[in-house]
Amino acid sequence: AQKVTQTQTSISVVEKTTVTMDCVYETRDSSYFLFWYKQTASGEIVFLIRQDSYKKENATVGHYSLNFQKPKSSIGLIITATQIEDSAVYFCAMREGDQGGRALIFGTGTTVSVSP
Amino acid sequence: GGIITQTPKFLIGQEGQKLTLKCQQNFNHDTMYWYRQDSGKGLRLIYYSITENDLQKGDLSEGYDASREKKSSFSLTVTSAQKNEMAVFLCASSINNQDTQYFGPGTRLLVL
Repeated sequence: AQKVTQTQTSISVVEKTTVTMDCVYETRDSSYFLFWYKQTASGEIVFLIRQDSYKKENATVGHYSLNFQKPKSSIGLIITATQIEDSAVYFCAMREGDQGGRALIFGTGTTVSVSP
Repeated sequence: GGIITQTPKFLIGQEGQKLTLKCQQNFNHDTMYWYRQDSGKGLRLIYYSITENDLQKGDLSEGYDASREKKSSFSLTVTSAQKNEMAVFLCASSINNQDTQYFGPGTRLLVL
């Protein structure tokens, strides 16, 4: 069965440093898609970055990058040069690639607090 | 760009009441979704729709109905609200069923 696990409940960092969040997933599909979303204090969910399983290169968007380790079924999110506004809950999600793979399966989230 | 609008923003209902949540998107996306988020947890899929008049059940569909009247709108009905139920219902859309999903602001439900 498909499953997404985020073991880190919360992380605190100082502004302008780097934070890394872990996510491991389980799937039987050879093709799948991995996503990271951010949920702000207002509840808004914002798409950040995705990694398609067939791509070997780690995705990068702005100050977000991914550490995709396919043999370990791991997709970590790295935020460099953190800012106060990066404080949020970060969700890892997966969608399987075959015909049945419609839903995003979410992890339970990691709360990041960025302090001055 | 586009936007997803959800109404109402807050919904307070009575036990046993039928409650309807609405979602509109102007991305011209084909696929729309309804998720439920309980406090401190991730999102779980209730229903999705690949195109107008299509409905597909998610893992959490029991107790809910959905309706895709037109491409831009997707409604969710709580058929009989449960006392002490509190959750956020999030609508999302994507170009097709394979692409990145974008989320609306959510409807917060409280059942008294």
